[in-house]
Order: sequence, then C-alpha cells, then structure tokens
Amino acid sequence: AQKVTQAQTEISVVEKEDVTLDCVYETRDTTYYLFWYKQPPSGELVFLIRRNSFDEQNEISGRYSWNFQKSTSSFNFTITASQVVDSAVYFCALSEHQTGTASKLTFGTGTRLQVTL
Amino acid sequence: DVKVTQSSRYLVKRTGEKVFLECVQDMDHENMFWYRQDPGLGLRLIYFSYDVKMKEKGDIPEGYSVSREKKERFSLILESASTNQTSMYLCASRGGWGAEAKNIQYFGAGTRLSVL
Repeated sequence: AQKVTQAQTEISVVEKEDVTLDCVYETRDTTYYLFWYKQPPSGELVFLIRRNSFDEQNEISGRYSWNFQKSTSSFNFTITASQVVDSAVYFCALSEHQTGTASKLTFGTGTRLQVTL
Repeated sequence: DVKVTQSSRYLVKRTGEKVFLECVQDMDHENMFWYRQDPGLGLRLIYFSYDVKMKEKGDIPEGYSVSREKKERFSLILESASTNQTSMYLCASRGGWGAEAKNIQYFGAGTRLSVL
C-alpha cells in the first residue's frame, strides 16, 4: 500500500524567510507520480506540480522549488522569500500508474503554513 | 481552465436526512472523485467513477453512495446522514494519461457539511 507522510503539522515563518515543507512517501511501484497541492483559506485545492518517478530533476518555478530524491523517498517543497499570500495548507500526494481504471491519489495529512508580517 | 463546481459551499442537515452533494466539471473528463477532508487525516477517497454509470469504492465508502448518470456530473449521496459525517467534502475530476492531462486531478471549492 502506498503512503505519504508530512511530519510537519504547522509551520510559522516571518515574511521573506525561506521555508521547506517535507514529504516522504512509500510505494512498491517503480512507476508513480508525486504531486503538491495548495489549499488556501477559500478551500479549493490548487495544483502546483506533478513529478514522475523517472524524472529526478529538481524544478524551480518562481519562488517555488521542489527537490525529488528517490534514494530517500522524499519530495520536498521550498518557498523562497515567503509572502503572506503563501499562507495555506499544503498537501503532498502520490499516485501509481494504473491503466484501465482511475488511478487514485494518496494524500499526506497536510502542512499548515502561516506567514506573518 | 478546468472548472469543477460543487453546488453548495455550506450545508446544515439533520441526523437521518438524505443528503445530495453535487459536482459538475466542464472538461469532458472521464474520471471523477469524491473525498472527505478531516483535520489531521488529510483527504480520504470515498468513491470514484471512471465512466458514466461506472463507480468504484475508495478507502472509506461506508455510509455513502454515488451516482453518475452524465459524464459531467458526479453526485455523492448520504442515505441517512449521521453526525460523524460532518466534514469537508471535495470533488475532483481528471482527464487521461496523455501529455495534456498528465493525470492531474482538479478540485472544486468544497462543501462543508454539518450534520446536527
């Protein structure tokens, strides 16, 4: 069975600090996909990134960057120079590659990030 | 842009009532999902559907049923609501595995259900 662990329940930082959200996963599959979603106070989960298990290149998108390391089964998310608008709950998720039926997402329990002035 | 619309943001129901939560997507996606979100538990899959009239149980289907009569609409039904079903319910839809869809699930804004 697959599992996603986000050990940090809540993180508080002051604006402009860098912050890293940890994600550790477990799966027996060799082909799988990792995701990060953001849930602002409005409630809707917003897709941020998708990574497949064969692509270990780190990715940067503006102030966001992701570090995928298969050796440690981790997919960590860093926000550089955090802003108040980054305050949200962030979810890491894992899905296996299954054809024929809908592949399911397994979510971590989320990390609540609070950015203050 | 993909749009997933849930009919209600907030609902208050009484124990024993039959409750319908509606979800509509506008991207012609084959796959649709219902999750519930509870503090400390993350999102848990209740049911999903990979085609019209097709459904499969997720991780916590007890006390719920679903209906998918049209491709764009996926309904979650609480046959007899109970207080332990007070939660946030999130609907999602997903296209295929192609380069465009990339197996990404898109979510609605959620329905916060309170059962009294």
